[in-house]
Amino acid sequence: ETGVTQSPTHLIKTRGQQVTLRCSSQSGHNTVSWYQQALGQGPQFIFQYYREEENGRGNFPPRFSGLQFPNYSSELNVNALELDDSALYLCASSAGTDDTGELFFGEGSRLTVL
Amino acid sequence: GDSVTQMEGPVTLSEEAFLTINCTYTATGYPSLFWYVQYPGEGLQLLLKATKADDKGSNKGFEATYRKETTSFHLEKGSVQVSDSAVYFCALSGGGYNKLIFGAGTRLAVHP
Repeated sequence: ETGVTQSPTHLIKTRGQQVTLRCSSQSGHNTVSWYQQALGQGPQFIFQYYREEENGRGNFPPRFSGLQFPNYSSELNVNALELDDSALYLCASSAGTDDTGELFFGEGSRLTVL
Repeated sequence: GDSVTQMEGPVTLSEEAFLTINCTYTATGYPSLFWYVQYPGEGLQLLLKATKADDKGSNKGFEATYRKETTSFHLEKGSVQVSDSAVYFCALSGGGYNKLIFGAGTRLAVHP
């Protein structure tokens, strides 16, 4: 069974640039959620994708967008990067959207914005 | 809105000591409650869960009881090991679509 994998693991961007982060979900999982974890904080929900559609969104501006592909992998795109976007971005997959709370997380992509 | 508050860390213990990490929550409705753990260099993992009042979740010697009257879900372990050193996150769900709301995390360091 393949777990959740994310790429890249680390990256550095400058203010105003755009970034794309990628996630492969665990085998058999059709739902992907993205979280932002600032240093010393808990993860915050960005949005969720189910069957290639956005299925719920947290309190993040529209410059945070995503995609899900037919193989259930996903991308997180952030435009017009700001210094406060520096964080660990976590992808989590699950089998469906029921409130089981059983999410399987990747190790994350650490983004630094200078 | 819904929120989770955990005790601040770091918590530093000697091996075989008793562990308590406090967690309280604010939520409308009847959330499910979770503890996730993040070991160094690894992704977050579900440690245990409880879905209704008075339920006790347990795993790997850790336990937590869903207390509706005190809105709490404290994590306990009777005898910690060095391998338990990690960051522990309390979380709740209930807003639909399996969205989790996390606390800020508590770092546990266990020394031999």
